[in-house]
Amino acid sequence: EAGVVQSPRYKIIEKKQPVAFWCNPISGHNTLYWYLQNLGQGPELLIRYENEEAVDDSQLPKDRFSAERLKGVDSTLKIQPAELGDSAVYLCASSLGGELTEAFFGQGTRLTVV
Amino acid sequence: AQRVTQPEKLLSVFKGAPVELKCNYSYSGSPELFWYVQYSRQRLQLLLRHISRESIKGFTADLNKGETSFHLKKPFAQEEDSAMYYCALSGHSGGGADGLTFGKGTHLIIQP
Repeated sequence: EAGVVQSPRYKIIEKKQPVAFWCNPISGHNTLYWYLQNLGQGPELLIRYENEEAVDDSQLPKDRFSAERLKGVDSTLKIQPAELGDSAVYLCASSLGGELTEAFFGQGTRLTVV
Repeated sequence: AQRVTQPEKLLSVFKGAPVELKCNYSYSGSPELFWYVQYSRQRLQLLLRHISRESIKGFTADLNKGETSFHLKKPFAQEEDSAMYYCALSGHSGGGADGLTFGKGTHLIIQP
């Protein structure tokens, strides 16, 4: 079992450019999360999916961030346009859902905006 | 609003010494508390959860609702315990579990 797979692992882009991150959760996991982790901080929830439905996107900056999970499996997180302050690690996690809340994390994508 | 506080950014102890990583939380309902660990160059992984009431790698954590704390303890530290430790909280709304609210983390260094 590969666990939660994220790509790319690293991304460097210029400000104002678009960027996308991809996540493949553990097979059978209905719940998928995207977290943002700034340097020296704990992860912060951006969005939570139950299957293909975004049930909590209250912390997602919707002016520039978007996410989708079209078939309730893989997910993509996009930033357009990127700003310098978006430099961070973007983590994807998945869990079986319901009351079983153990979340399994991917390796993360480290974004650097220059 | 829910919050998790880890007052120590860095904790350094000698091998064989006891370890206590502090965690306090605020939440209006009955939360579920976790400790996650991230070893160097590895992904974030669950260490233990309060519901399980078990010891993992010699670590234990007791939920104290009166003090709203969930401190992580180990009686004898080992060098392989060096890592980042995050305390996290999950509330429950809408019939399911919410996402995790994390503290800022404590970097534990075990000196030989």
